[in-house]
Amino acid sequence: NAGVTQTPKFQVLKTGQSMTLQCAQDMNHNSMYWYRQDPGMGLRLIYYSASEGTTDKGEVPNGYNVSRLNKREFSLRLESAAPSQTSVYFCASSEAPGLASSSGANVLTFGAGSRLTVL
Amino acid sequence: RKEVEQDPGPFNVPEGATVAFNCTYSNSASQSFFWYRQDCRKEPKLLMSVYSSGNEDGRFTAQLNRASQYISLLIRDSKLSDSATYLCVVRRVARTGNQFYFGTGTSLTVIP
Repeated sequence: NAGVTQTPKFQVLKTGQSMTLQCAQDMNHNSMYWYRQDPGMGLRLIYYSASEGTTDKGEVPNGYNVSRLNKREFSLRLESAAPSQTSVYFCASSEAPGLASSSGANVLTFGAGSRLTVL
Repeated sequence: RKEVEQDPGPFNVPEGATVAFNCTYSNSASQSFFWYRQDCRKEPKLLMSVYSSGNEDGRFTAQLNRASQYISLLIRDSKLSDSATYLCVVRRVARTGNQFYFGTGTSLTVIP
């Protein structure tokens, strides 16, 4: 059971370059999320997708776009990378509210993270 | 005001010590509560869910006080392997589905 898989694990970009972070989950979850984590700031939500076909902005969406390709996959794109986007990015998934089989099932499962440096 | 606030620490404790972490949340509509553990340069992983009645998993005990909007985690007989950052996480149901809110984490170092 792979859980949540995200690629690449590491990436170095130059300012202005574009790239896409890929995320896939095999838990049949409806909801998927992209977070960034910076020292002293904690985890901040960039975008999320409550279900296939929907996406919504989170706390820090500027400079990013997302695509919910299908139920399994949710990608994050940086169109023109900036040094302020240097961060660790985590993809995560959860079941939708009301669909979880038990109260303990509404948990968030994370991918291993993608460490991005923008020079 | 932040959704979830927790003391960042760091907590440096000797092996075998008991240590407690606290967390408060601001929205009374929050429905589920969790402690996650994050090791250096790794992803957060679920340590335990927190229930109103309190719950225990081995050396770990979690408590929830809905009236005070307060969550705690107690670690007894600390081990070196407990060194990590502990994240307090709260779930709320929004119009668009589950929303999760994170504290900034409390750093624990267990010293030999």
